[in-house]
Amino acid sequence: KAGVTQTPRYLIKTRGQQVTLSCSPISGHRSVSWYQQTPGQGLQFLFEYFSETQRNKGNFPGRFSGRQFSNSRSEMNVSTLELGDSALYLCASGTSGGETQYFGPGTRLLVL
Amino acid sequence: QKEVEQNSGPLSVPEGAIASLNCTYSDRGSQSFFWYRQYSGKSPELIMFIYSNGDKEDGRFTAQLNKASQYVSLLIRDSQPSDSATYLCAVNPGGGGYNKLIFGAGTRLAVHP
Repeated sequence: KAGVTQTPRYLIKTRGQQVTLSCSPISGHRSVSWYQQTPGQGLQFLFEYFSETQRNKGNFPGRFSGRQFSNSRSEMNVSTLELGDSALYLCASGTSGGETQYFGPGTRLLVL
Repeated sequence: QKEVEQNSGPLSVPEGAIASLNCTYSDRGSQSFFWYRQYSGKSPELIMFIYSNGDKEDGRFTAQLNKASQYVSLLIRDSQPSDSATYLCAVNPGGGGYNKLIFGAGTRLAVHP
């Protein structure tokens, strides 16, 4: 089975812009979770989508949003980028719930 | 108090020794527990998961869970230089069928020849 794929792998944006990241889960997995990893805050949960519905949300501002399509692919969007949004954004693919999640390679975002 | 706590390290062990990594969590209702390994510049890779009290062994790795003490550990036997990485403890605080992981800050392991 192919693993989790994320695109793009690297992005450079400027403050105030918006960005959209994409994640394709492992075939058959219907859950996609998004995480932000920074040196200061570590790995933090953003949100989870399951069957096109947001099932859980972390403590991030509304500038961070996401969606999931019928083929389970997911996108996350960050609007009005801030310098502090520079991070590695990871998506994780899983089955119904509470079980193992597998991470994609991540998208490294740099905001200038 | 942080929800998931780990000693940041670095934990330095000689090649061939046993490395012991520890993690405590605050949510007593947590149901599932995971250990991920992350090499510098890479994404986390699942090493072990454990749901029930006791030990679970997989090759050179043993995960131990004690829910009464809210404590999870990972033992790595016959440590190799290739095991040098950051080990992340993760807890799913729910159990209500959703996927949300709370991560510790990670313990950096250095295995020296």
